[in-house]
Amino acid sequence: EAEVAQSPRYKITEKSQAVAFWCDPISGHATLYWYRQILGQGPELLVQFQDESVVDDSQLPKDRFSAERLKGVDSTLKIQPAELGDSAMYLCASSFGDGTEAFFGQGTRLTVV
Amino acid sequence: AQSVAQPEDQVNVAEGNPLTVKCTYSVSGNPYLFWYVQYPNRGLQFLLKYITGDNLVKGSYGFEAEFNKSQTSFHLKKPSALVSDSALYFCAVKASGTYKYIFGTGTRLKVLA
Repeated sequence: EAEVAQSPRYKITEKSQAVAFWCDPISGHATLYWYRQILGQGPELLVQFQDESVVDDSQLPKDRFSAERLKGVDSTLKIQPAELGDSAMYLCASSFGDGTEAFFGQGTRLTVV
Repeated sequence: AQSVAQPEDQVNVAEGNPLTVKCTYSVSGNPYLFWYVQYPNRGLQFLLKYITGDNLVKGSYGFEAEFNKSQTSFHLKKPSALVSDSALYFCAVKASGTYKYIFGTGTRLKVLA
């Protein structure tokens, strides 16, 4: 069964350092999402791509976060510099189209120390 | 604006008893509704969805959900709970014609042996 791939699964970084996460969506899924999930809370959308274009990044802290999906396939989310409050699970998801469910990867657990 | 409410932080139920996890929503236009389950340190796993048609939808692992348009609710149900159902459950809504999924804050289900 096709899956959304994310790496790394776990990342520990010192504050003020740069960190990057990678996501490979299910083949054929045009829509890709990056969510942040604080422990015990629901996922919050950071950025949404339709193919290679950003369609919603209203909740992305653009002073330190950036995201790209250059060829409309895999995607990278970067944080520079990381802050203690960035510690969270970062989830990538993809969907095929309207009316279809989003499929989630296993997530990257980030700890900033 | 779209929103989802899960009024219970935690639901406790005895093994073998029926369970209900509540969800209400607010969306402009026709809603697409979803339930996901999350186990510790894992991504979200799709359970079921309502797009159109029968108000009672069946999903994975014996779960079902009832769409009630007048009460704007989409409660998750299972006739007989298992200890292995213990997890965090999220309701999500998406307005038709949009690609943004909005998640509730989650309900922790504990099934007691």
